[in-house]
Amino acid sequence: QITLKESGPTLVKPTQTLTLTCTFSGFSLSTSGVGVGWIRQPPGKALEWLALIYWDDDKRYSPSLKSRLTITKDTSKNQVVLTMTNMDPVDTATYYCAHSGFDCSGGSCYESWGQGTLVTVSS
Amino acid sequence: QSALTQPASVSGSPGQSITISCTGTSSDVGGYNYVSWYQHHPGKAPKLMIYEVSNRPSGVSNRFSGSKSGNTASLTISGLQAEDEADYYCSSYTSSSTLVFGGGTKLTVL
Repeated sequence: QITLKESGPTLVKPTQTLTLTCTFSGFSLSTSGVGVGWIRQPPGKALEWLALIYWDDDKRYSPSLKSRLTITKDTSKNQVVLTMTNMDPVDTATYYCAHSGFDCSGGSCYESWGQGTLVTVSS
Repeated sequence: QSALTQPASVSGSPGQSITISCTGTSSDVGGYNYVSWYQHHPGKAPKLMIYEVSNRPSGVSNRFSGSKSGNTASLTISGLQAEDEADYYCSSYTSSSTLVFGGGTKLTVL
């Protein structure tokens, strides 16, 4: 059974850097073809794809947020970390991490998702 | 990359069929057979319903089906049930090797 859980601060101040951790089980991020991505959803708005890291450490970022995002993995800890710099109130959202496995060629979809964590940006 | 275009809302009565469209460009929907659909009940994790345009993951009801023509993909739900009421999102792989989601469609079962 695959599970993912997001953790990190629930409140950050404008201009601060957000660091979110995705801790997962049921798969290995050292297995060929596997990836973990981050997706967010502002309150009342649509899902927005942020970033993906593959088993081979290949990384992809949303073009509109690329300059602010960094995604890394720690295979031994079964964790993926997303950092987002220069946070703004418009970045208030529920942040999800998700698993992209064998059904999702090239990270084209996400088979399993965490429950999400709400991050509020406010002074 | 711009979000894919979905209708804001659709509705149907129990037992009926509905179709949700997802329009992109030749750089995403039209260029790849990597369109996915997700069901999202508020407060819960999104659930993958369709991948690679028309494939259903194990455990997903065969009442859900997907198709694509040109730059537009579609999700059809037949035999509508009350529990189908949710938000639905499409996504597509892009020419930049990234992913883009649609704006979401709220399905109401009357």
